[in-house]
Amino acid sequence: EAQVTQNPRYLITVTGKKLTVTCSQNMNHEYMSWYRQDPGLGLRQIYYSMNVEVTDKGDVPEGYKVSRKEKRNFPLILESPSPNQTSLYFCASSLRLGWRELFFGEGSRLTVL
Amino acid sequence: ELKVEQNPLFLSMQEGKNYTIYCNYSTTSDRLYWYRQDPGKSLESLFVLLSNGAVKQEGRLMASLDTKARLSTLHITAAVHDLSATYFCAVDRIQGAQKLVFGQGTRLTINP
Repeated sequence: EAQVTQNPRYLITVTGKKLTVTCSQNMNHEYMSWYRQDPGLGLRQIYYSMNVEVTDKGDVPEGYKVSRKEKRNFPLILESPSPNQTSLYFCASSLRLGWRELFFGEGSRLTVL
Repeated sequence: ELKVEQNPLFLSMQEGKNYTIYCNYSTTSDRLYWYRQDPGKSLESLFVLLSNGAVKQEGRLMASLDTKARLSTLHITAAVHDLSATYFCAVDRIQGAQKLVFGQGTRLTINP
């Protein structure tokens, strides 16, 4: 089954404790992206990747890192999480940007205390 | 900077009525997407509109795109409770940095 898988789905952590949210897709998609969703703000792009080893900042990249060492995986790293990073995070992928729609993962709800 | 604005942000309506959600965007783009999100769930693709004048329909939902006016509409016909969800439009920015920018979302509640 074609899917985008995120882990963990739910996480409560404390300020400063490094964490990684994994994202994996099984559709051989070139384009992958991370979004955060906050009430009243819609989805805002954090980082995106056009292909392996090609990443770029979205609109809200501060406090996040990403890597794209393999085509299927695109982890989101919070080196030193802060409470303002409490949010619902979505990973998404597409064959390439502009090629039909994005496929979204189920979301990861992160709370930073 | 590409901005995408939806109107209204909240909509409560009765079953059987018609209504339209509007999506305006600020710079040139030829691709517009509509997504649906149920509470606590991920986003599901509804429509992809790829050119000026494009119109797509699925059941009681119809989406259209006017690239000259930088406007897309999502029209709901004879609403039913199952259509209650949050609807997002999103626009590609292909020139320069390649990004997909979302609107704020429209929370639609359909009352029996």
